[in-house]
Amino acid sequence: DQQVKQNSPSLSVQEGRISILNCDYTNSMFDYFLWYKKYPAEGPTFLISISSIKDKNEDGRFTVFLNKSAKHLSLHIVPSQPGDSAVYFCAASPLANQAGTALIFGKGTTLSVSS
Amino acid sequence: DAGVTQSPTHLIKTRGQHVTLRCSPISGHKSVSWYQQVLGQGPQFIFQYYEKEERGRGNFPDRFSARQFPNYSSELNVNALLLGDSALYLCASSLWQGAGGETQYFGPGTRLLVL
Repeated sequence: DQQVKQNSPSLSVQEGRISILNCDYTNSMFDYFLWYKKYPAEGPTFLISISSIKDKNEDGRFTVFLNKSAKHLSLHIVPSQPGDSAVYFCAASPLANQAGTALIFGKGTTLSVSS
Repeated sequence: DAGVTQSPTHLIKTRGQHVTLRCSPISGHKSVSWYQQVLGQGPQFIFQYYEKEERGRGNFPDRFSARQFPNYSSELNVNALLLGDSALYLCASSLWQGAGGETQYFGPGTRLLVL
């Protein structure tokens, strides 16, 4: 069973508009959430994270929102740029403890930003 | 500063062979994790090591093993290769602060093809 779900395999947006990528999770033990961006033939690049004690975290054009009661998070990119075109992965983990901090990933959403 | 480095970048093996993949973490990072990514899926957790000890293991067969060295670099070993082991193998490093959220930073990966 998938503990982290990204239900939209792809998203197309025009340059300058907002991109909204969504992610749902099922495991209530998850307390830390991350978004990664991945270009072909490269490893995932960390974008932004949020812990469960917050409902919003912002870094430049990127904002992550967390709705813990709905077990839902979203990544907003404003304004979207053609260079943002990539696969975006949502990941989740419990807080660090002696048992480790394995990241559980969704399947990814491919974002295409057209100029 | 150098990021996570992995070697080799590409590898072709035949069924039944053995493979060793190598990873050097970001300077100052003491934890290394390994992930497998097959096409169309998100990365799947294989192992996490901290201070040369295994801190977590994902749902992979015993053919997969790993170790961490005193300089915090790590090796992933896979024995008796199967066609299904063809994937991108990703290494990630993190500080391991023992509490709070733990952000993992990924290397470029090793692309393994098993024929």
